[in-house]
Amino acid sequence: GAGVSQSPSNKVTEKGKDVELRCDPISGHTALYWYRQSLGQGLEFLIYFQGNSAPDKSGLPSDRFSAERTGGSVSTLTIQRTQQEDSAVYLCASSSTIGGGSTEAFFGQGTRLTVV
Amino acid sequence: SQQGEEDPQALSIQEGENATMNCSYKTSINNLQWYRQNSGRGLVHLILIRSNEREKHSGRLRVTLDTSKKSSSLLITASRAADTASYFCAPQTGGGNKLTFGTGTQLKVEL
Repeated sequence: GAGVSQSPSNKVTEKGKDVELRCDPISGHTALYWYRQSLGQGLEFLIYFQGNSAPDKSGLPSDRFSAERTGGSVSTLTIQRTQQEDSAVYLCASSSTIGGGSTEAFFGQGTRLTVV
Repeated sequence: SQQGEEDPQALSIQEGENATMNCSYKTSINNLQWYRQNSGRGLVHLILIRSNEREKHSGRLRVTLDTSKKSSSLLITASRAADTASYFCAPQTGGGNKLTFGTGTQLKVEL
């Protein structure tokens, strides 16, 4: 597609259930990012994939959070045993790297997760 | 990687006025990017300034970079109500490095 696509756009889940959030980056982009944004707050970095390198997972808040990127394209963020504090908008972005320098990141519209 | 800190946290101006937002960072950078976010959804890239550039323009936007002070500013001239949004800077230290964001500046442009 032309841009970064995230699905679902909204997700309501019961506390304790697992959820999967999907991100389709722009074709050919080697870098993929996941962020979390709580209401009125800044973007909290979660995880970063760059090409075939090991992902930077330093932002994942707990072992209930995991992400994978299959075939260097689609990524899935999984939250196990969801808690109410996991409620937030989850944003995905992708970018390319040219000549050792990074280019702009393109963001999806996010998935609004509500844990009830 | 590093995170930029935007200042002020909130800014309210009248339509037609100029808006200036600042960003400070801690270590040497390759480039610094500015983004806008409307209504708490996806961010939109505004402008990228490289470490060897001092000023860059794009329409009503003007970005400056002072690497000696480790700071950048974003100026929006002749603001419009549609410029109401949150603005974030993202300093980037190297090719392929992750982007991290601060808490942003919330700009409100009133009619």
